[in-house]
Amino acid sequence: QVQLVQSGAEVKKPGASVKVSCKASGYTFTRHAIHWLRQAPGQRPEWMGWINGGNGNTKYSQRFQGRVTITRDTSATTAYMDLGSLRYEDTAVYYCARGYYGSSDHWGQGTLVTVSS
Amino acid sequence: DIVVTQSPDTLAVSLGERATINCKPSQSVLYSSDNKNYLAWYQQKPGQPPKPLIYWAVNRESGVPDRFSGSVSGTDFTLTISSLQAEDVAVYYCQQYYDTQTFGQGTRVEIK
Repeated sequence: QVQLVQSGAEVKKPGASVKVSCKASGYTFTRHAIHWLRQAPGQRPEWMGWINGGNGNTKYSQRFQGRVTITRDTSATTAYMDLGSLRYEDTAVYYCARGYYGSSDHWGQGTLVTVSS
Repeated sequence: DIVVTQSPDTLAVSLGERATINCKPSQSVLYSSDNKNYLAWYQQKPGQPPKPLIYWAVNRESGVPDRFSGSVSGTDFTLTISSLQAEDVAVYYCQQYYDTQTFGQGTRVEIK
């Protein structure tokens, strides 16, 4: 079955960077995109960007342009999301999700990133 | 960005009764080349990721109970739970994926 397993919780200081990983299994990694989204406490999910699992092309939300980088390692069937210049308001649960025609049909368990001094 | 607006924000329904949630994107999400509405519905319970329920506005995901259904009227979308069960207490989101992804603000469904 399709599974997306994310790395563990992180605590970072303002101005630092965080890198979250997403290990995919149960399907052909290169046939689907991986989306990254985040959800702050009590808020709706927010889309950050996606990467084409096959050719590695990326697209980012303008809100995060310049601060976020999404990469993937096809041999490890793993995608990564790197967010820099962290601010307190970046505290959220970060999710990866498998792409299906632009939507997200399977989600990782989420990774809590806390920005605190 | 396409703005997605849901109503109501909170819905209290008796067990076994019908629950109806509305969703309206700020522009059409109908893709003319395939005549599909790029809209999905998700259920989220505390501490869990969103769970897909409906895709292409009207198609139920595998394993989702048939009391959940999606419908379209023009550019207005509806999620209906035909007979509310205790396990359906959750927050429900609609999402457009016509242009990247944006979500509605969510509708909290409670037991009356």
